[in-house]
Formats: sequence, structure tokens, C-alpha cells
Amino acid sequence: QVTLRESGPALVRPTQTLTLTCSFSGFSLSTSGMCVTWIRQPPGKALEWLARVDWDGDEHHTTSLKTRLTISKDTSKNQVLLTMTNVDPVDTATYYCARAVGGREADYWGQGILVTVSS
Amino acid sequence: DIVMTQTPLSLAVTLGQPASISCKSSQSLLHSDGKTYLYWYLQKPGQSPQLLISEVSRRFSGVPDRFSGSGSGTDFTLKISRVEAEDVGTYYCMQGILLPYTFGQGTKLEIK
Repeated sequence: QVTLRESGPALVRPTQTLTLTCSFSGFSLSTSGMCVTWIRQPPGKALEWLARVDWDGDEHHTTSLKTRLTISKDTSKNQVLLTMTNVDPVDTATYYCARAVGGREADYWGQGILVTVSS
Repeated sequence: DIVMTQTPLSLAVTLGQPASISCKSSQSLLHSDGKTYLYWYLQKPGQSPQLLISEVSRRFSGVPDRFSGSGSGTDFTLKISRVEAEDVGTYYCMQGILLPYTFGQGTKLEIK
């Protein structure tokens, strides 16, 4: 059974660094073709693809946030971390992690974590 | 980045009637490997998105056969043959041919 769960702070101050953890089970990120993706959704708005880490360590980031995002994996802990620097209120969103076999289709999602950026 | 445009943005359908959502991409989603990387997701109220359809027309495990996807190149359609109450939510298309992957604006389906 594949499960993913996001964890991290619910509230972050502007200019601070946000770190989110995706803890998963039911698959291994050391398996060829396996990837984990982060996607976010501002309140009442559409989904936005953020970043992906692949089984071989490759990382991919959305263009607009490339300089602020870091994605990493800890295969032994079955975790993927997403770090976003210099957060702004526009980064307020529900952040989801999802498994992506082959990198493209997000077939299993976590329940999401709402992160509010506010002073 | 590839722009994905969905129409309509909202849709009210009577139970048992069909529904159709269009998704257009700013460039072709046909890859050199012969596959077309267009996906459909449904986000039910208060829930995480769920995968409905992969590569234009392949239903994900457990997805009812009243859902079907079609299209090619830059024009795609999601159809629901007979809408049921559980189909309420927002539908998103997503392209997976070029990083960063991008979603449409979403189409909100409600029951009339």
C-alpha cells in the first residue's frame, strides 16, 4: 500500500526558510524509475508543479522558483525534503507530495499541508 | 513553459447526463517516443487530487469506465458519459512532456 504524508510548519514568517518533509511507504526511491514530486495549491487556486527528485538523484525545479527551491531525498528514511528560501505571503498554499513512477504521472498523493506565510 | 488552457472553467450538469471538458496545450504533447503525455486529475471537495487518466486515454486503477479521455497533439477532451454525484469537484489537465510540468486552471463540475 502506497502512502505519503507531508509534515512541516503551519506558519512561517516572511523572508524565512520553509522546510517540508514528505514521508512515504509502500515504495522505494532507490527503485529505477521512481520519483517524488511536490505540487502546491494556493487557496482557491489551481495546482502548481514545483519540483521532482528522481531515484538516481536528479532534481528538477519549476522555472519561476528555481533559485529558491531545493529538493533532496533520504532513501534510507523514505523521505523527501523540500526547502524554499525567502518565503513571501504569495507562497501561502497547500503543499502536496506525490509519487511519480517514470516521473510524469502523480499516481499517489499525500493529504497535503497548509502553510501560511504571514508576519 | 507550456500553457494549458481548460474550457469551460465551470460546468453544471444534471445527474445522469454527459459532461465534457476541453484542454488545449500551447505546444504538442506528442513525444518522440510516440506517447502523448497528457493527464487528467480530479480534486474532490476537501481532498487531494487523484489521478484519473494517463497518456490521454488510459484510466488509472479503479477509475470508472464512464470517464474517458481522447485527443491528440494539442487538443484533448475528458468526457463523463453519465455524471454521478461523486463526480463533483475540480478537474485538472496536466502536461508531462516538458519540465516544468504544468496544469490547466481547473474546471469545476457541479450538479444542476
